[in-house]
Amino acid sequence: SQQGEEDPQALSIQEGENATMNCSYKTSINNLQWYRQNSGRGLVHLILIRSNEREKHSGRLRVTLDTSKKSSSLLITASRAADTASYFCATDATGGYNNLIFGAGTRLAVHP
Amino acid sequence: NAGVTQTPKFQVLKTGQSMTLQCAQDMNHEYMSWYRQDPGMGLRLIHYSVGAGITDQGEVPNGYNVSRSTTEDFPLRLLSAAPSQTSVYFCASSSLRKSTPGELFFGEGSRLTVL
Repeated sequence: SQQGEEDPQALSIQEGENATMNCSYKTSINNLQWYRQNSGRGLVHLILIRSNEREKHSGRLRVTLDTSKKSSSLLITASRAADTASYFCATDATGGYNNLIFGAGTRLAVHP
Repeated sequence: NAGVTQTPKFQVLKTGQSMTLQCAQDMNHEYMSWYRQDPGMGLRLIHYSVGAGITDQGEVPNGYNVSRSTTEDFPLRLLSAAPSQTSVYFCASSSLRKSTPGELFFGEGSRLTVL
């Protein structure tokens, strides 16, 4: 079962614009992660935010977490064509360990 | 470091055939897992392992077997392939040490088509 659901499913922007992707989840979490997947490649970890954190930055990435609304957002500032990829949020599943539940992803296209 | 290595990258099977997808990691990670990715559904956990000799089922385990005889290797076996198993399969690993954040390291994927 999907825990996280991303919104929008697809996003098309111009280089230099900001891209915002949202993720909603259903149950309580310990942390939420964002991953990136280039076409035909494996997923790459971008950033992890813990449940007691509200905002986190990494380079051009900004992630927010609102546990009361069970939602997170990923902001990519000053987008580049190389940011074209699918972006997934993932939450830790019940049962522990590092099992993650992934959403269906947001496909981002950044046009030169 | 090679990270997580999956083989083969592509495979075509006929219904009823069996095969093994190989996964190896060189990061000394305790945790390894297999996910399948289908269009519009994100990734779903098939099986996982927290150490040599220890495996457990994920969300969609039916039709798949795993074993973990070494820390490095975690093969996924399809016992009798069905068209519903057409998918892209990803192996992932991570450290279970409390000092590490729990991010997963993924292989490049194995695209399987069952005719």
